[in-house]
Amino acid sequence: GAVVSQHPSWVICKSGTSVKIECRSLDFQATTMFWYRQFPKQSLMLMATSNEGSKATYEQGVEKDKFLINHASLTLSTLTVTSAHPEDSSFYICSAGDPSESSYEQYFGPGTRLTVT
Amino acid sequence: AQSVTQLGSHVSVSEGALVLLRCNYSSSVPPYLFWYVQYPNQGLQLLLKYTSAATLVKGINGFEAEFKKSETSFHLTKPSAHMSDAAEYFCAVSEREAGTALIFGKGTTLSVSS
Repeated sequence: GAVVSQHPSWVICKSGTSVKIECRSLDFQATTMFWYRQFPKQSLMLMATSNEGSKATYEQGVEKDKFLINHASLTLSTLTVTSAHPEDSSFYICSAGDPSESSYEQYFGPGTRLTVT
Repeated sequence: AQSVTQLGSHVSVSEGALVLLRCNYSSSVPPYLFWYVQYPNQGLQLLLKYTSAATLVKGINGFEAEFKKSETSFHLTKPSAHMSDAAEYFCAVSEREAGTALIFGKGTTLSVSS
């Protein structure tokens, strides 16, 4: 199956700083990627849809100026948490689908754990 | 809008017992349905998926699920639980359209006792 990677796997940053998380599709091209956030012992909540070459689409309640998404190529989407605060501490997971497949399955990255101190 | 409901946030079984995790979906048309497992501090692993082929879907690690349109359900079962099955399980739904996101249920924590 297709593989999606994320980097870094975990990061600790100080309050007020910005953090960039990368999501890469390793063996396929993805025009669309998705970003999810998972708080401890909770489910995954869709944050935004990342579209290659165009602006991201954010879910209701997600601040687009705080969570900057850039999908500059068909294999890379980045999520930048700007001016991070402790309440942004969470597990961030990306996913992408291989358009060459007919199953419309989403492949998930291993996640990035962000801790803001 | 699509949604999934997982009945029971926590299920406890004994090793060797039947595992039944419930999932009901809400959709105007039969969607694609998925079950994922997540171990602590790890990402998601796909157990199985329903994409309109056979209604009884077999997955990895001995799990299977049956799509029942009349009941709008996609319950996950395993005949005999193993200690290693203890994890968080998520049911998810997506539209029958390429490039759509998954909507997840709240998850069910499976505990297995010896």
